[in-house]
Amino acid sequence: EAGVAQSPRYKIIEKRQSVAFWCNPISGHATLYWYQQILGQGPKLLIQFQNNGVVDDSQLPKDRFSAERLKGVDSTLKIQPAKLEDSAVYLCASSLWSLVTDTQYFGPGTRLTVL
Amino acid sequence: AQSVTQLGSHVSVSEGALVLLRCNYSSSVPPYLFWYVQYPNQGLQLLLKYTTGATLVKGINGFEAEFKKSETSFHLTKPSAHMSDAAEYFCAVSVATGTASKLTFGTGTRLQVTL
Repeated sequence: EAGVAQSPRYKIIEKRQSVAFWCNPISGHATLYWYQQILGQGPKLLIQFQNNGVVDDSQLPKDRFSAERLKGVDSTLKIQPAKLEDSAVYLCASSLWSLVTDTQYFGPGTRLTVL
Repeated sequence: AQSVTQLGSHVSVSEGALVLLRCNYSSSVPPYLFWYVQYPNQGLQLLLKYTTGATLVKGINGFEAEFKKSETSFHLTKPSAHMSDAAEYFCAVSVATGTASKLTFGTGTRLQVTL
């Protein structure tokens, strides 16, 4: 079974530029998550989709971050404009559904450096 | 609100020694607890999880954890450390949020294994 795919793996941009990340979840998984992991910290949930609807985006800085999940499968996360403090690893995860006991499966992440 | 606290951001053990990584949780409802491992430049991988039933949970790679309600703890152990166990370990608690659930991570413990 293929895992969660993410691209690119690494991205370096200047502040105020825009950037986009792509995620392809495990086939058949209804729920997709985007996390931000700052160096030395645990992952923090940015947004959660169930199929193509948003379930939780309370921690998403909506003035600069946006995300969509096309046809309930792939997802993109965009930052525009980027700030220095956005430097982090962006992790995508998926789960079969969104029960409290469901396991989340993580992709390898995209490491963003904002200069 | 539910949360987890991981005691010790860095733990160093000798190869063959006991591994003990500490996690305490705070929850107003019965918790669902997870341990994930993150190897360098990779995403998170589930080690084990506690949902209901047996309080001693066995996971992959020889790891296990015991849920102790009286101590609000879910410590991770392994009898004999291998060099390949060197990684970052995250404890997490899952809570229901309306029709979905949310995973909240601790700050992580970096395990170093020395010869």
